[in-house]
Amino acid sequence: AQKITQTQPGMFVQEKEAVTLDCTYDTSDPSYGLFWYKQPSSGEMIFLIYQGSYDQQNATEGRYSLNFQKARKSANLVISASQLGDSAMYFCAMREGGGGTSYGKLTFGQGTILTVHP
Amino acid sequence: EPEVTQTPSHQVTQMGQEVILRCVPISNHLYFYWYRQILGQKVEFLVSFYNNEISEKSEIFDDQFSVERPDGSNFTLKIRSTKLEDSAMYFCASSDALAFFGQGTRLTVV
Repeated sequence: AQKITQTQPGMFVQEKEAVTLDCTYDTSDPSYGLFWYKQPSSGEMIFLIYQGSYDQQNATEGRYSLNFQKARKSANLVISASQLGDSAMYFCAMREGGGGTSYGKLTFGQGTILTVHP
Repeated sequence: EPEVTQTPSHQVTQMGQEVILRCVPISNHLYFYWYRQILGQKVEFLVSFYNNEISEKSEIFDDQFSVERPDGSNFTLKIRSTKLEDSAMYFCASSDALAFFGQGTRLTVV
């Protein structure tokens, strides 16, 4: 079974509008972390935002926020006020277990290609 | 802002040759990783490294692959006897609570 699922292969948004990229996850571990990365056409993997399973509040970083619904096992990325430079592939990833001083591998979803139209 | 640095950015090699991909992780991080991404596909975990030894590896990380931290700053991935299917983008990452990736090395085996 997929541990991380991104069901939207592609998304389109108008510049200055908000967009939500979906991510659902599957784990039985009570301790986990959820990450979002941006991969532009140049190929690098840019960290955007992190949410820990025990965090009480949804994470925010500038125009990025994470809509964390633990009971639904979803961690959707919301990008507000989209810009042309936001056009890229976006990956959701999960790290299970650890916390404290133990940091295991990330498992990635399939990615969503976001295209921002002027 | 601290960053993970990978070299080279591109590498073309003949099938059967050995390649070494290099990474300089973030200096105060203790966990290091290699991932690969075949063109257009998802990112796959290869190996994690902690306290100078492999802590976890995937099925992909067979005897063809090895990792090393030869000094206090570098972290390398060696691929012996490369195959055409090893062509991919290889990412190094380092981690504390957050995981940061290098810019990747695009390996092409011809």
